Amino acid sequence: AAGVIQSPRHLIKEKRETATLKCYPIPRHDTVYWYQQGPGQDPQFLISFYEKMQSDKGSIPDRFSAQQFSDYHSELNMSSLELGDSALYFCASKRGGAQETQYFGPGTRLLVL
Amino acid sequence: GDSVTQMEGPVTLSEEAFLTINCTYTATGYPSLFWYVQYPGEGLQLLLKATKADDKGSNKGFEATYRKETTSFHLEKGSVQVSDSAVYFCALGKANFGNEKLTFGTGTRLTIIP
Repeated sequence: AAGVIQSPRHLIKEKRETATLKCYPIPRHDTVYWYQQGPGQDPQFLISFYEKMQSDKGSIPDRFSAQQFSDYHSELNMSSLELGDSALYFCASKRGGAQETQYFGPGTRLLVL
Repeated sequence: GDSVTQMEGPVTLSEEAFLTINCTYTATGYPSLFWYVQYPGEGLQLLLKATKADDKGSNKGFEATYRKETTSFHLEKGSVQVSDSAVYFCALGKANFGNEKLTFGTGTRLTIIP
């Protein structure tokens, strides 16, 4: 079965650089979530989209922005990167509607030097 | 706000031992409850879920029952295997007009020794 695809899988950036993470949801899934998992931490919700509109917002820094495109893929843009942004970034997708299961991608590991 | 409190790890067990990982939650309304598993270097995989009180989720020999009276969703397995070694996350989801972000516990690292 098709799964959530994230690219790139690994990314190394310098401080103050920008990064773009991409997420391709499971076909026919219209809702995308982004989570950030710091080293040894639990995943923290950043932002979500439903039908290309932002649906909820969590602890996402102002330096980060995201959007969902017409083909339902989503991109997380991160600017002025800081050392503390080093983390595993997960994307999850689901079909719209309550109680549908979120399926997670393999994550993008970002290292900021 | 909503929160999940999970049994601290790490937990080390011998193969074929009985496993319990405790999870309690605080939430208003009627959340759905989940257990996700993360194998080394991989993403989060849904292990099981329960969407209402007294529901029992089960998968791969793991079970958890949604107990509203004790606000708990403890994970159990009767006989663990080395391949069960992973980090286990308890999570709750609150529906918000069909959008259900997840709140995770801190994770419990489980190591099974042969």
